Amino acid sequence: KAGVTQTPRYLIKTRGQQVTLSCSPISGHRSVSWYQQTPGQGLQFLFEYFSETQRNKGNFPGRFSGRQFSNSRSEMNVSTLELGDSALYLCASRHGGADTQYFGPGTRLTVL
Amino acid sequence: AQTVTQSQPEMSVQEAETVTLSCTYDTSESDYYLFWYKQPPSRQMILVIRQEAYKQQNATENRFSVNFQKAAKSFSLKISDSQLGDAAMYFCAYRSFGSGNSGYALNFGKGTSLLVTP
Repeated sequence: KAGVTQTPRYLIKTRGQQVTLSCSPISGHRSVSWYQQTPGQGLQFLFEYFSETQRNKGNFPGRFSGRQFSNSRSEMNVSTLELGDSALYLCASRHGGADTQYFGPGTRLTVL
Repeated sequence: AQTVTQSQPEMSVQEAETVTLSCTYDTSESDYYLFWYKQPPSRQMILVIRQEAYKQQNATENRFSVNFQKAAKSFSLKISDSQLGDAAMYFCAYRSFGSGNSGYALNFGKGTSLLVTP
């Protein structure tokens, strides 16, 4: 089975712009979670989608949003980018229930 | 909210030796999951091992094993016969059992950087 894929792998944006990141889960997995990784804050949970519904959200401002499509692929959007949004954004998928989350390679976002 | 603490920012081990990485957590829940993930320089997070809190037996995966002490809220990772490829950042993570307030979100520690020397 193919693993979790994320596109693009690298992205450079300027302050004030918006960005959309994409995540394709492992085939058959219905849940997608997003995490932000920075040197200062470490790994922080953004949100989780399951069957196109947001199930849980971390403590991030409303500029961070996401959605999930019927094929379980997910996108996250960050509007009005700030320098502090520079991070590695990781996506993880799981089949459901108590299953383990498997991570993608991440998208490295740099905000200038 | 559950917190996960990894008190060792860096550890070093020689090839073929054994090393133990520490992790403690704080929770009021009785059922939960604990994980160790490895993040090599490629930044890909790789699952190393998983432990269900309701299982008393410590999980093992080949050279990797855990020492799970539920009462002490401790979850250490032992790597035996260390290899150069084990060099990475290791993260301990906690996840609630069900879809309560925390849902299925992983709470991560700050990580321990493991250096393996020849």
